[in-house]
Amino acid sequence: ETGVTQSPTHLIKTRGQQVTLRCSSQSGHNTVSWYQQALGQGPQFIFQYYREEENGRGNFPPRFSGLQFPNYSSELNVNALELDDSALYLCASSLEGASTDTQYFGPGTRLTVL
Amino acid sequence: GDSVTQMEGPVTLSEEAFLTINCTYTATGYPSLFWYVQYPGEGLQLLLKATKADDKGSNKGFEATYRKETTSFHLEKGSVQVSDSAVYFCALSVPIQGAQKLVFGQGTRLTINP
Repeated sequence: ETGVTQSPTHLIKTRGQQVTLRCSSQSGHNTVSWYQQALGQGPQFIFQYYREEENGRGNFPPRFSGLQFPNYSSELNVNALELDDSALYLCASSLEGASTDTQYFGPGTRLTVL
Repeated sequence: GDSVTQMEGPVTLSEEAFLTINCTYTATGYPSLFWYVQYPGEGLQLLLKATKADDKGSNKGFEATYRKETTSFHLEKGSVQVSDSAVYFCALSVPIQGAQKLVFGQGTRLTINP
């Protein structure tokens, strides 16, 4: 148990729709990162939030956006869903975002786009 | 760019066999290195980490040593159990803008037979 929770567990959407995924960080952690894990692949970094501001983004288009709240819970929003967005979405929290920090992962939300 | 290359799987061993999963990396500077494990239908769990050259991370009988000269972080265990069956990911932490992201290998699926 990492103390990181995500909801929902599974989600089915159709192409063109919008989706919001939620994450609750481990207590005391002010940094959250989101990753996309396609089937059979390693996770790919989407972006990171530190104290409610996005401070780093991977190679994902602007239709992937996020929010982090004062209690350090966070959301990942994806607009105009595409079939290739089908994946496991993982959030990970860390203490301060330093290079030596461990990122603790939640169980993930499996998104299926039809 | 920064990358991680893992031994291709799947790997199948008998219980009590010796395990090695190779991991090499390419990165500028001296990243922190991690091994994560993913059990079926779950998120990632940290297995061990090392933050500087010659550090040895260890946990649950698994070990890995940060080798700067060979840019490697091979995972080893002396005697595997059926419960070790999972997918193993090697990862490194690198800076991106103001954040730290994890870069993962493609994963190695391990199956232990009784």
